[in-house]
Amino acid sequence: DAKTTQPTSMDCAEGRAANLPCNHSTISGNEYVYWYRQIHSQGPQYIIHGLKNNETNEMASLIITEDRKSSTLILPHATLRDTAVYYCIVRVNTGFQKLVFGTGTRLLVSP
Amino acid sequence: NAGVTQTPKFQVLKTGQSMTLQCAQDMNHEYMSWYRQDPGMGLRLIHYSVGAGITDQGEVPNGYNVSRSTTEDFPLRLLSAAPSQTSVYFCASSYGGGAEEKLFFGSGTQLSVL
Repeated sequence: DAKTTQPTSMDCAEGRAANLPCNHSTISGNEYVYWYRQIHSQGPQYIIHGLKNNETNEMASLIITEDRKSSTLILPHATLRDTAVYYCIVRVNTGFQKLVFGTGTRLLVSP
Repeated sequence: NAGVTQTPKFQVLKTGQSMTLQCAQDMNHEYMSWYRQDPGMGLRLIHYSVGAGITDQGEVPNGYNVSRSTTEDFPLRLLSAAPSQTSVYFCASSYGGGAEEKLFFGSGTQLSVL
């Protein structure tokens, strides 16, 4: 199973872009990169996922390097409500979506 | 559309007591799962189900039982609670698995075993 490495914590000013990096150097060719976040004691929330190409939705953008060994989650205009723990996850290649959660990056958005 | 509903939100048990954590989803999802989260750690998979009548063990199944008699419900049973089971429990569901599926999580049950 591919493992991920994320910084323990990051800070971001409100209104600025938050760029959260993730390393997954042992990722396999058919494994997707997923991002979830967990806002204080709530259940994790899906943000975005991708395989090779960059992806964008209403919440965020995902940039995956060409060699797929790392990715960056971008919150274009961070708000205080984006303060959360962000998990970068590589999907284990089984029929059931057995996501392996690490400890994630704690993002603090300040005024 | 309520999504994934977990009850209770909080529970305190004495060592040796039994209880059932309830999980229900109204999205007609085939896949359901239970995770536990301990302080400073990520989520760990306890049990999962890929459809009614089908369950399997996850990463940390000991001390827990599950069953899936309907598509909507996936209860988690603690037969004899131990202090090591003090944790926050999350139930999740997804449509049918596969590489592009995303999980929907409940709001969690905070369990303390004294």
